[in-house]
Amino acid sequence: QVHLVESGGGVVQPGRSLRLSCAASGFTFSSYGMHWVRQAPGKGLEWVAVISSDGNNRYYADSMKGRFTISRDNSKNTLYLQLSSLRSEDTAVYYCAKDRGEMAINKILDYWGQGTLVTVSS
Amino acid sequence: DIQMTQSPSSLSASVGDRVTITCRASQGISNSLAWYQHKPGKAPNLLLYGTSILESGVPSRFSGSGSGTDYTLTISSLQPEDFATYYCQQFYSTPGTFGPGTEVDIK
Repeated sequence: QVHLVESGGGVVQPGRSLRLSCAASGFTFSSYGMHWVRQAPGKGLEWVAVISSDGNNRYYADSMKGRFTISRDNSKNTLYLQLSSLRSEDTAVYYCAKDRGEMAINKILDYWGQGTLVTVSS
Repeated sequence: DIQMTQSPSSLSASVGDRVTITCRASQGISNSLAWYQHKPGKAPNLLLYGTSILESGVPSRFSGSGSGTDYTLTISSLQPEDFATYYCQQFYSTPGTFGPGTEVDIK
């Protein structure tokens, strides 16, 4: 049974950094691409970033490029998202999600975590 | 980036109603479309992908159709557990953009 659990959210001041984690279980983590998706209060889903199964390929939404870094540790079955230079508009629930494609990114997200809330406020 | 729109943005329906949600892409996406259901405080749930392929475990009252730039999600007989927000997403190109969502609530 696939299980994704995000952690690391909280209240952070503008301009500061935060690292989110996503612990994965129930599948061969090293075989699948992984995504981060966020939802700001009262808004819809916004794709943030994706990383390939081996970690060698990473893609970001334009608005987050240069500020956010996605990474993974396949030995720990854990996905990360480093958030830097945070702005109030980054306030959102951040979800990690598993890509449906094995050994290839197809951008279909078949399992999601429950999310972790990041609040950027002074 | 490919832009996605959905209509309506919200709708009110009764249990047993047939519900149709439309999604439009800013360019052709060759059936590379998925639908998700999202309830407050819960993880989003993949319903269909490839326009019409039902994800394992999803009830058959959900169906999808479309081609080119225009796609639809149909719920043949709305059930109490179906009240939620529905999002389309294109996976034709990166970023895999989502539509703005359609909230389905109880009439």
